[in-house]
Amino acid sequence: DAGVIQSPRHEVTEMGQEVTLRCKPISGHDYLFWYRQTMMRGLELLIYFNNNVPIDDSGMPEDRFSAKMPNASFSTLKIQPSEPRDSAVYFCASSSSTGFYEQYFGPGTRLTVT
Amino acid sequence: RKEVEQDPGPFNVPEGATVAFNCTYSNSASQSFFWYRQDCRKEPKLLMSVYSSGNEDGRFTAQLNRASQYISLLIRDSKLSDSATYLCVPSTGGGNKLTFGTGTQLKVEL
Repeated sequence: DAGVIQSPRHEVTEMGQEVTLRCKPISGHDYLFWYRQTMMRGLELLIYFNNNVPIDDSGMPEDRFSAKMPNASFSTLKIQPSEPRDSAVYFCASSSSTGFYEQYFGPGTRLTVT
Repeated sequence: RKEVEQDPGPFNVPEGATVAFNCTYSNSASQSFFWYRQDCRKEPKLLMSVYSSGNEDGRFTAQLNRASQYISLLIRDSKLSDSATYLCVPSTGGGNKLTFGTGTQLKVEL
């Protein structure tokens, strides 16, 4: 079975540019999570969705960040405009409410903003 | 108080040793508990879900003490491939939202 799929795996962009990260959750999972990981702050939850609806976006750092989930098999995290402090690894994870709520992570997108 | 507290390590142990990691959590409403492992520059991967007071999976044993809000992970007969960071993860927000600790680094050496 396919796991969580993320693209791109690596992204290098210049400050001020728009960045879009993409995620395909595991088929049948009804929860989707976006995390950011840095050495300084560890793994931080940015936002999560249940049945495509955003439930908690309190972790989104500021208005430059936005996330959407137009359908059960696709989500995007957008940063506009990007800044060097946004450099991090961004993970997407999914889980099922019919299980034990274990979350399964994608391979991550390593973002570098210069 | 941090939501999840773990000793960052590193724990340097010889191959074949038994090693234990401890974790405390602050949210008494947490219902589900997990241990994840994360290799360098990789995604966190689920190692164990912790049921009831604890459970065992091969060389790995997890224990949960709800009264003390304490979780532990024991690794027996450690292998070189066990070298990773181990993340203690209680649930919050009704079970679906997880809080990740900063992890404990394990290095297994020859």
